Amino acid sequence: AQSVTQLGSHVSVSEGALVLLRCNYSSSVPPYLFWYVQYPNQGLQLLLKYTTGATLVKGINGFEAEFKKSETSFHLTKPSAHMSDAAEYFCAVRDNDMRFGAGTRLTVKP
Amino acid sequence: DTAVSQTPKYLVTQMGNDKSIKCEQNLGHDTMYWYKQDSKKFLKIMFSYNNKELIINETVPNRFSPKSPDKAHLNLHINSLELGDSAVYFCASSQGGSTTEAFFGQGTRLTVV
Repeated sequence: AQSVTQLGSHVSVSEGALVLLRCNYSSSVPPYLFWYVQYPNQGLQLLLKYTTGATLVKGINGFEAEFKKSETSFHLTKPSAHMSDAAEYFCAVRDNDMRFGAGTRLTVKP
Repeated sequence: DTAVSQTPKYLVTQMGNDKSIKCEQNLGHDTMYWYKQDSKKFLKIMFSYNNKELIINETVPNRFSPKSPDKAHLNLHINSLELGDSAVYFCASSQGGSTTEAFFGQGTRLTVV
């Protein structure tokens, strides 16, 4: 079965700093990978997804992620953090259903 | 229009009770899911329904039973509620195919006292 592992349950950055949230996948076939964001007391919202084609994927709110097969990684980045980015972020891989990593809580300090 | 809607948003009930959570999607998707999110935010797939057929059951207790009257609805019925059932339950839907994302409802926070 396919799976993803998120490295770091909590990441803290200053406003304006680079955001890097790490995700590694395990899959015997080309994976379909996703990043979701969950704001407090809300459901999950899709940030971006990788299926095939370009390995650098751009999403909403200035986020992007790069699929690196050699590293089995799909890390999420944003050049400059905003206070409004504070949330829980989930990496996921699509198998028969959506399988999620454990999540990374992003805190943004003023 | 809300794409995936769940009711109720909050549910507080006593141990031993039976409760249901309703879910409806208006996206025309053919697959619906129930996820459980625990206090540590971990998301676990519980059930998946494709064209009214159960295709995944992740060894959840048989006190939990999904019911799908039609393709747009997937309700979750829970018998004999236990303290450990307290969690946030999310309904989601997707269209068939591995490249498609799942769309989530706002969640139902279940508290068993």
